[in-house]
Amino acid sequence: LAKTTQPISMDSYEGQEVNITCSHNNIATNDYITWYQQFPSQGPRFIIQGYKTKVTNEVASLFIPADRKSSTLSLPRVSLSDTAVYYCLVARGNAGNMLTFGGGTRLMVKP
Amino acid sequence: DAGVIQSPRHEVTEMGQEVTLRCKPISGHNSLFWYRQTMMRGLELLIYFNNNVPIDDSGMPEDRFSAKMPNASFSTLKIQPSEPRDSAVYFCASSFLGTQTYEQYFGPGTRLTVT
Repeated sequence: LAKTTQPISMDSYEGQEVNITCSHNNIATNDYITWYQQFPSQGPRFIIQGYKTKVTNEVASLFIPADRKSSTLSLPRVSLSDTAVYYCLVARGNAGNMLTFGGGTRLMVKP
Repeated sequence: DAGVIQSPRHEVTEMGQEVTLRCKPISGHNSLFWYRQTMMRGLELLIYFNNNVPIDDSGMPEDRFSAKMPNASFSTLKIQPSEPRDSAVYFCASSFLGTQTYEQYFGPGTRLTVT
């Protein structure tokens, strides 16, 4: 499985942009990068996925360089409600839609 | 759609008892996943079904755990006999396999406490 490495925790303040970087050095050609968010006492929630370059939706942007060995989740103008754990995952293209969750990044947004 | 439905939301049982967790996936989804989450081990995939067939059960801890999916709208995870170390939050998730999307929809979870 493609192992991912991301910071254990990050702090930010309301209104700031937050960038969480994840490394996945052994990503394979058929793999996609996906990010999930988990609030306390809830199940994870899909945020965004991408293959290369940049993907943007109403919640976040995902930047993937040409070598695809890392990716950066960008959250614009965070609020207190963005305090959560953010998981970076590599979805294997030949493993159905099975996912393996790592430890995630615990983001704390302060007022 | 009501989303993924899990029951019960909370379960407290004594060691040695049988526990059955239930999941109703989103209608139209053809993949179903059972996960377990603890502080120590994080979020672990236990088993994965596609079209009601178990595809990967390598995450099932031991023979005390079993999972079934008799039809597309229902799955169970059974622990018999239960042990205190099984205490965790158990999540069920569903998705549609067929497009290149890896969006899984998680249920609210069942918090299991084994005393």
